[in-house]
Amino acid sequence: SQQGEEDPQALSIQEGENATMNCSYKTSINNLQWYRQNSGRGLVHLILIRSNEREKHSGRLRVTLDTSKKSSSLLITASRAADTASYFCATGPNSGGSNYKLTFGKGTLLTVNP
Amino acid sequence: EAGVAQSPRYKIIEKRQSVAFWCNPISGHATLYWYQQILGQGPKLLIQFQNNGVVDDSQLPKDRFSAERLKGVDSTLKIQPAKLEDSAVYLCASSTYGGELFFGEGSRLTVL
Repeated sequence: SQQGEEDPQALSIQEGENATMNCSYKTSINNLQWYRQNSGRGLVHLILIRSNEREKHSGRLRVTLDTSKKSSSLLITASRAADTASYFCATGPNSGGSNYKLTFGKGTLLTVNP
Repeated sequence: EAGVAQSPRYKIIEKRQSVAFWCNPISGHATLYWYQQILGQGPKLLIQFQNNGVVDDSQLPKDRFSAERLKGVDSTLKIQPAKLEDSAVYLCASSTYGGELFFGEGSRLTVL
């Protein structure tokens, strides 16, 4: 079963607008990561936020984490057509040991119209 | 720094045939993952290696799928015999322990 669930499933905006995607998860986590996947390509890591962090920035990206609500959001500001892609959240479990397994959600398909 | 290499990029086979995918991870990355991504869905972990040992293969259909990682570097994923529902993109990724994953471009399998 998949741990993270992104919302919405699809989002269409105009260039220059902000895009917000949400991720909810079920069990306690060590960290939460966001990835981008352009059509027909592999996934690319965007940002990692640890369970003891509440907000993190990277360029036009802002990620928040609310562990009490088991949710995270990814904000892309001033979107560009090149931001068109699927965005996935992935959670790393809080359990220790060698079995560090990253579980992905189903993704949000973002379309930025020029 | 070279990325994760995968081959072939595309493969079309008929059901009941066999297929093998190859992955070369980033040098020094001890952890290697094979994910299956069906169209419109997120990646599903099939198997995870730590060096050349398997640490998780709970979602690998072991009656038809097998994977190995020789000498803790390259890895191969084999499907024999293939079914129609195996049509998907097979993604290989590598990482240092607990770090971000670096993905290859994937191998797209079509089973007819």
